[in-house]
Amino acid sequence: QKEVEQNSGPLSVPEGAIASLNCTYSDRGSQSFFWYRQYSGKSPELIMSIYSNGDKEDGRFTAQLNKASQYVSLLIRDSQPSDSATYLCAVRPPGGSYIPTFGRGTSLIVHP
Amino acid sequence: EAQVTQNPRYLITVTGKKLTVTCSQNMNHEYMSWYRQDPGLGLRQIYYSMNVEVTDKGDVPEGYKVSRKEKRNFPLILESPSPNQTSLYFCASSFSGQETQYFGPGTRLLVL
Repeated sequence: QKEVEQNSGPLSVPEGAIASLNCTYSDRGSQSFFWYRQYSGKSPELIMSIYSNGDKEDGRFTAQLNKASQYVSLLIRDSQPSDSATYLCAVRPPGGSYIPTFGRGTSLIVHP
Repeated sequence: EAQVTQNPRYLITVTGKKLTVTCSQNMNHEYMSWYRQDPGLGLRQIYYSMNVEVTDKGDVPEGYKVSRKEKRNFPLILESPSPNQTSLYFCASSFSGQETQYFGPGTRLLVL
């Protein structure tokens, strides 16, 4: 059973702080990892994808992957109220299967 | 504009009355998927398609049908809807071998 676990939150951080969102996965052979942002009532939109161990930075966002620990995280620097949303972690298993498994999401609240 | 469209966006129906939710993409994507999203359960895949006439079950296919007669369209059919199919439905598409999924705006379905 493929599982992707996220803390449902809400995670509350003050404006300007670093928000840290975490995700663990059960399928050790997974190769592709994604973070989506979803505003209430809207569709998910991709923020970051990461495939190799280490860090990947894009603007205020940094994705971190540790395959040995089966752990992927998303850091949001200088958090803004507009970052308030649910963040979904998705993991694509190995073997060519197209089916990504989504975590249940972490709700982030950035307060002024 | 590259996009995934879904219709209708909102639908209220009664138990047993067949309905179809349409999904169309204009990006020439090969892969298309249907998800449902329920509070506390996250995104769960219903069906996916890797190309015309090629479809496969996701994690929660019971009570749903799909067809892929054209590359751009991937309708979701509920032949006999039941109240437990009340949910928010998303269609998504991506290039073959590409990782990023583009989501439609969602269809909110209420089955009475």
